[in-house]
Amino acid sequence: KQEVTQIPAALSVPEGENLVLNCSFTDSAIYNLQWFRQDPGKGLTSLLLIQSSQREQTSGRLNASLDKSSGRSTLYIAASQPGDSATYLCAVYNNAGNMLTFGGGTRLMVKP
Amino acid sequence: AAGVIQSPRHLIKEKRETATLKCYPIPRHDTVYWYQQGPGQDPQFLISFYEKMQSDKGSIPDRFSAQQFSDYHSELNMSSLELGDSALYFCASSLRVGDEQYFGPGTRLTVT
Repeated sequence: KQEVTQIPAALSVPEGENLVLNCSFTDSAIYNLQWFRQDPGKGLTSLLLIQSSQREQTSGRLNASLDKSSGRSTLYIAASQPGDSATYLCAVYNNAGNMLTFGGGTRLMVKP
Repeated sequence: AAGVIQSPRHLIKEKRETATLKCYPIPRHDTVYWYQQGPGQDPQFLISFYEKMQSDKGSIPDRFSAQQFSDYHSELNMSSLELGDSALYFCASSLRVGDEQYFGPGTRLTVT
């Protein structure tokens, strides 16, 4: 059974810092990997999707990498802003691509 | 751009009652997924449908059933509701199985 772990569980940084969120998964036979943002009590906003054949994806200040063989992904956020404060969830697609397994999330607080 | 629509957005039911949650996928998306997110937890996969057929099944209680209709909308039926069923229920859709999943805003179910 796939297990997804995110470290750290919570992170508080001053505005302007570059930061890295980590995601690891136990079964490397994944289809894709997706990073989401979730504000308290709200829905899931897709940030980046990395296909299993890709090693990284970039969108604005966000860069996500994927190393399938080691079962790891990182989300890099450059020049963090208070508006980035949210919970960031990593989710992996099973080999058939028809279900997502989520990690426990990293709760990020960016202080002005 | 059209997004995934879920209704109702909020629902309050009493124990042992039934509830029906509806999901309208993005136009041309033929794959629908249901997830449950309990308080303080990460989303858990319940069930998915592709072309109106069940595609995969996760930790969905026997009291729950779901189906996808000819217009590709999906309904999650929940019977004999328990307090522990209180959660955010997300629906997601994708163009094809394995493609990026787009999440709806969720239905917040409260069982009293």
